[in-house]
Amino acid sequence: AQTVTQSQPEMSVQEAETVTLSCTYDTSENNYYLFWYKQPPSRQMILVIRQEAYKQQNATENRFSVNFQKAAKSFSLKISDSQLGDTAMYFCAFMKHERSSGSARQLTFGSGTQLTVLP
Amino acid sequence: NAGVMQNPRHLVRRRGQEARLRCSPMKGHSHVYWYRQLPEEGLKFMVYLQKENIIDESGMPKERFSAEFPKEGPSILRIQQVVRGDSAAYFCASSPTTGISNEKLFFGSGTQLSVL
Repeated sequence: AQTVTQSQPEMSVQEAETVTLSCTYDTSENNYYLFWYKQPPSRQMILVIRQEAYKQQNATENRFSVNFQKAAKSFSLKISDSQLGDTAMYFCAFMKHERSSGSARQLTFGSGTQLTVLP
Repeated sequence: NAGVMQNPRHLVRRRGQEARLRCSPMKGHSHVYWYRQLPEEGLKFMVYLQKENIIDESGMPKERFSAEFPKEGPSILRIQQVVRGDSAAYFCASSPTTGISNEKLFFGSGTQLSVL
């Protein structure tokens, strides 16, 4: 079974500054995906960024980037130039790489980090 | 292309009543997942369905909970004889049919179930 741990229940950052959210995970799998989802007060779960474990290069999506350390089982999210709209709960999540299209694509989520961007 | 649609957005039930939550996947998606989010926690997998089939229900409580995804119409998550501990946000997600290991799940906005 996989576990995902987010050790920072709450964080805050000044607008335009940079913040890093931590995530560690535990698995015996070699092939898997890692994700960061954002959940604003509207409750919608929005995919922020995803990383394939077999790729060494860290994923980047505009102001969002990850630091993926496979050996350490660490997957942190860096948000640059923070904006007020980034205020949300952020969830780190894990998914096994399933060969069969008929297999469940189960996501295992961490408990979340509430990020507040201060004006 | 509309996203994953869930309704109702809020549902209030008294203990012992039945709750029916509906989910229409994105157009072209025939894989549906249900997740539950308790307060202050991340989402937890409940069940995975394809059209007319339950593929994996390992996360679903054995009693009172059931799910279906008929050939026509939305997927339904049904909770019979609700108890206060069922109060949670229930999320539906869908993914495309084609593509091995297409790992992107698209989520709806959830149904907040409150049991009085």
